[in-house]
Amino acid sequence: GENVEQHPSTLSVQEGDSAVIKCTYSDSASNYFPWYKQELGKGPQLIIDIRSNVGEKKDQRIAVTLNKTAKHFSLHITETQPEDSAVYFCAASRGRRALTFGSGTRLQVQP
Amino acid sequence: SAVISQKPSRDICQRGTSLTIQCQVDSQVTMMFWYRQQPGQSLTLIATANQGSEATYESGFVIDKFPISRPNLTFSTLTVSNMSPEDSSIYLCSVEELGTGAKNIQYFGAGTRLSVL
Repeated sequence: GENVEQHPSTLSVQEGDSAVIKCTYSDSASNYFPWYKQELGKGPQLIIDIRSNVGEKKDQRIAVTLNKTAKHFSLHITETQPEDSAVYFCAASRGRRALTFGSGTRLQVQP
Repeated sequence: SAVISQKPSRDICQRGTSLTIQCQVDSQVTMMFWYRQQPGQSLTLIATANQGSEATYESGFVIDKFPISRPNLTFSTLTVSNMSPEDSSIYLCSVEELGTGAKNIQYFGAGTRLSVL
């Protein structure tokens, strides 16, 4: 089955800096890659996703890149703000299958 | 996006008892899933709740321990049976909503935080 690895497990940045979280996947047939943000006491919230026919997608301060050849994808957050502090999960799936999640990254944005 | 309501939001239970968690969606959805998130860990799929038929369980999860119902396209329940402290986790309902393109989008409820004493 699919295996998703995520790095780093924790990330601390200064407010205004950029943050990058990286994931690799094992199943070359995976074609959907969402990113979720989970705040304390809440369920995961979808923040951006990318499909395998696209190399990059951007939504305001958040962007995701996908390298199908290398089987890795990354989340980029620019101009970080304290409210970006949360746990971020990457995931992968193919077809109608459920998501396989990475291990999560705890992002702390220091004011 | 679909609005997902999960009940209860949290509970503290005694070992050996069972708890049923409800998941209600405000629109008809094709797929419903149940995940477990152990403290400080990632999400692990328990099963896919199939409307009108038995749920499809992932390796390591069995129907006797986690019976699931899905009587219609907007509602599902997960029961955690004969609980032990190791069952203390967050249980999350997720739904797949029809989206653009070839792949549908998955949304999560707020979760049920279960502590077993």
